[in-house]
Amino acid sequence: GAGVSQSPSNKVTEKGKDVELRCDPISGHTALYWYRQSLGQGLEFLIYFQGNSAPDKSGLPSDRFSAERTGGSVSTLTIQRTQQEDSAVYLCASSLDTLAGDLHEQYFGPGTRLTVT
Amino acid sequence: DAKTTQPTSMDCAEGRAANLPCNHSTISGNEYVYWYRQIHSQGPQYIIHGLKNNETNEMASLIITEDRKSSTLILPHATLRDTAVYYCIVRAGAGGTSYGKLTFGQGTILTVHP
Repeated sequence: GAGVSQSPSNKVTEKGKDVELRCDPISGHTALYWYRQSLGQGLEFLIYFQGNSAPDKSGLPSDRFSAERTGGSVSTLTIQRTQQEDSAVYLCASSLDTLAGDLHEQYFGPGTRLTVT
Repeated sequence: DAKTTQPTSMDCAEGRAANLPCNHSTISGNEYVYWYRQIHSQGPQYIIHGLKNNETNEMASLIITEDRKSSTLILPHATLRDTAVYYCIVRAGAGGTSYGKLTFGQGTILTVHP
């Protein structure tokens, strides 16, 4: 079946511009996670959605970062006024995790490579 | 989340078993041990997880010590395609303050050679 997809696969933007990154999770997965991977910081958690709400936003690095999820499916990560330190691979994962304590494996997408010039 | 410690790199000959160790001495009772791997330029891939008991699936085996302070991931017959970064992750269960998310360390770079 279809896995997690992300778009675009690559994005080059100028410093100060806004960008939107999209994640399409596996159908039926209620949990959705955003991570980013950069050379200096490794793989770090950004935000977790359960349905359309985000019970954990603790990893968002600044108020320039925001994310939403509509219809319990597609999610968009928005970075405003991009900076060079935002350059990284942004990864999305989905799973059948529930807030009740039922943990499952997370399936990762291929990522979006963001380069801020 | 409990911190994990893994060797930076390991080598393994093709066809031999690869044994990847992980220390998680501060793990608490409701925290699980998860293993993921990341092949170059791809997203991380789930391998296996466990709480107390040893686990086995089609990819690997997970051996957790009785005190739960360390574990070993075993790839029984390593192939060249198993060359990747392997992450040992302690993941909070229900009620944990960081429930759900995965906290990645630096991982172990496993190189399988012919």
